[in-house]
Amino acid sequence: AQSVTQLDSQVPVFEEAPVELRCNYSSSVSVYLFWYVQYPNQGLQLLLKYLSGSTLVKGINGFEAEFNKSQTSFHLRKPSVHISDTAEYFCAVRGYSTLTFGKGTMLLVSP
Amino acid sequence: ETGVTQSPTHLIKTRGQQVTLRCSSQSGHNTVSWYQQALGQGPQFIFQYYREEENGRGNFPPRFSGLQFPNYSSELNVNALELDDSALYLCASSLGGGQGHTDTQYFGPGTRLTVL
Repeated sequence: AQSVTQLDSQVPVFEEAPVELRCNYSSSVSVYLFWYVQYPNQGLQLLLKYLSGSTLVKGINGFEAEFNKSQTSFHLRKPSVHISDTAEYFCAVRGYSTLTFGKGTMLLVSP
Repeated sequence: ETGVTQSPTHLIKTRGQQVTLRCSSQSGHNTVSWYQQALGQGPQFIFQYYREEENGRGNFPPRFSGLQFPNYSSELNVNALELDDSALYLCASSLGGGQGHTDTQYFGPGTRLTVL
């Protein structure tokens, strides 16, 4: 079985500041991890994914995430956020035929 | 390349009614998965279809059923609607036959269902 814990329900940050959104997972099979972003009243857009190889994964819009097997974490980071990054962010782990999602973290960027 | 599309965008039904939601997969994708996203929650897996067969199911009752057609488009049917069925229903398509853990799912914009 798989599960995902997103430790923060909301993260407020000022524009141009760095941000880290935390994600911890558990999985009984090989680990494949994803971050998706959901803008208001829209579906999910893939930000980045870890399947194998380098533990530092770069995605769209300047986001990156680091897979840490010993800490079972896959935290999402961005060095400088924009107002347009305000959205809900979901971490997910892949199972046999499904994605198991966390409850999401709302990133609130203010000027 | 056409992305995942869903119809309708919004839907209002009353308790006890039946509803059908539709999804067209991304070009070249043969697998469709359906998720329910209640307000303030992450998406929950309903089921997946691969080559017109159900290929996995989450913890949802039998009144949630689905179909996949030869062109890989899909329908989600919900019978005997309950108030708690109010949610955003997301469809995702992928290429991997449902067998590979690595295939990436691409999501449509969703259908917002309100049950009164």
